[in-house]
Amino acid sequence: DAKTTQPNSMESNEEEPVHLPCNHSTISGTDYIHWYRQLPSQGPEYVIHGLTSNVNNRMASLAIAEDRKSSTLILHRATLRDAAVYYCILRYSGAGSYQLTFGKGTKLSVIP
Amino acid sequence: KAGVTQTPRYLIKTRGQQVTLSCSPISGHRSVSWYQQTPGQGLQFLFEYFSETQRNKGNFPGRFSGRQFSNSRSEMNVSTLELGDSALYLCASSLDNDETQYFGPGTRLLVL
Repeated sequence: DAKTTQPNSMESNEEEPVHLPCNHSTISGTDYIHWYRQLPSQGPEYVIHGLTSNVNNRMASLAIAEDRKSSTLILHRATLRDAAVYYCILRYSGAGSYQLTFGKGTKLSVIP
Repeated sequence: KAGVTQTPRYLIKTRGQQVTLSCSPISGHRSVSWYQQTPGQGLQFLFEYFSETQRNKGNFPGRFSGRQFSNSRSEMNVSTLELGDSALYLCASSLDNDETQYFGPGTRLLVL
């Protein structure tokens, strides 16, 4: 599986935007970029995913570099509830392969 | 719609025993995946079931097994428990060909 590299931890002030980076230089053309997050004492939660174009949903935005070797998850206005470990995952989109390969993720702390 | 449910939520066993964990997916979801989460190894994929068939398997010993029933509910079994099997076991469900996995709260297993 292609690997991703994320900073171990980041801090943000409450109500400010947060940009969480992810490098995936060995991404293949069929890999989707997924982001999940895990709040304390909970299972992971889907945040967003994309292939080539930037994506927006009610939780976040995903900015994908033109060469797809990196991406950035953007939380437009961090709240205390956004404090979690954020995982950037490459998922092969071919048939019959649905597992998620998690890395260490980025632990986001939100300062009130 | 009810989310993914896992039972039991907490479990204490002793070395050498076996354990069965249960997962009920979101209604209509036919794919169920299992993951193990430990502080040292992070989140690791165990296996995935679809329509009662194991479709993918991670790199775990044969002591770890699973099955899926016709109603898509899934169980995983760990035989001859070892101290290192202490972990949070997470179940995730998804629609086939859907990019999103929905995780349950997990079962926390402690092996003494």
